[in-house]
Amino acid sequence: ETGVTQTPRHLVMGMTNKKSLKCEQHLGHNAMYWYKQSAKKPLELMFVYNFKEQTENNSVPSRFSPECPNSSHLFLHLHTLQPEDSALYLCASSQALRGRDYGYTFGSGTRLTVV
Amino acid sequence: KNQVEQSPQSLIILEGKNCTLQCNYTVSPFSNLRWYKQDTGRGPVSLTIMTFSENTKSNGRYTATLDADTKQSSLHITASQLSDSASYICVVTPGGNTPLVFGKGTRLSVIA
Repeated sequence: ETGVTQTPRHLVMGMTNKKSLKCEQHLGHNAMYWYKQSAKKPLELMFVYNFKEQTENNSVPSRFSPECPNSSHLFLHLHTLQPEDSALYLCASSQALRGRDYGYTFGSGTRLTVV
Repeated sequence: KNQVEQSPQSLIILEGKNCTLQCNYTVSPFSNLRWYKQDTGRGPVSLTIMTFSENTKSNGRYTATLDADTKQSSLHITASQLSDSASYICVVTPGGNTPLVFGKGTRLSVIA
């Protein structure tokens, strides 16, 4: 394990369902991220939290709603998704300090299928 | 526009053979470049990190090179093993608070 734990590993949901993805990091990092990984596309940054404050929302549709209650936990709430939202959703954490990059640690991801 | 291009898109090699993966980037300003390995169904794991002043770095059978003048990097895998089968992603960190720039990855399959 990398120190970043994501649950569930797999999720199948209907377009009218509401579900949440969970991410937990045990590395003492102060920044957490949600990425979307679709087939044959680069990872797409969705949300960034630094010290629990959302610092980036990369034009993500409102049917995705992030929540960061503390620096160790990150959630992605899902509702009324579309089939094209099916993808691998990756959580990552890093120790961001004065703009320097100390590397990202990724979780294993949640494979989401919208039917 | 900041971009990272990787080639080939996919590669099949025999166990024990060597291979080289390519990464070209147009990212400015440049802070560092990382190669990640992503096994199927797992998240990416960092293999190497290279800054502007470094041109070679090794991690076991993995050797990364960086030419900051031509904005090219390569990842060389020596004596490949079946466990090397994965996607290899080139990631460039721009300067400042700009988000990471990811390549699409190269899918490597090592067969017996």
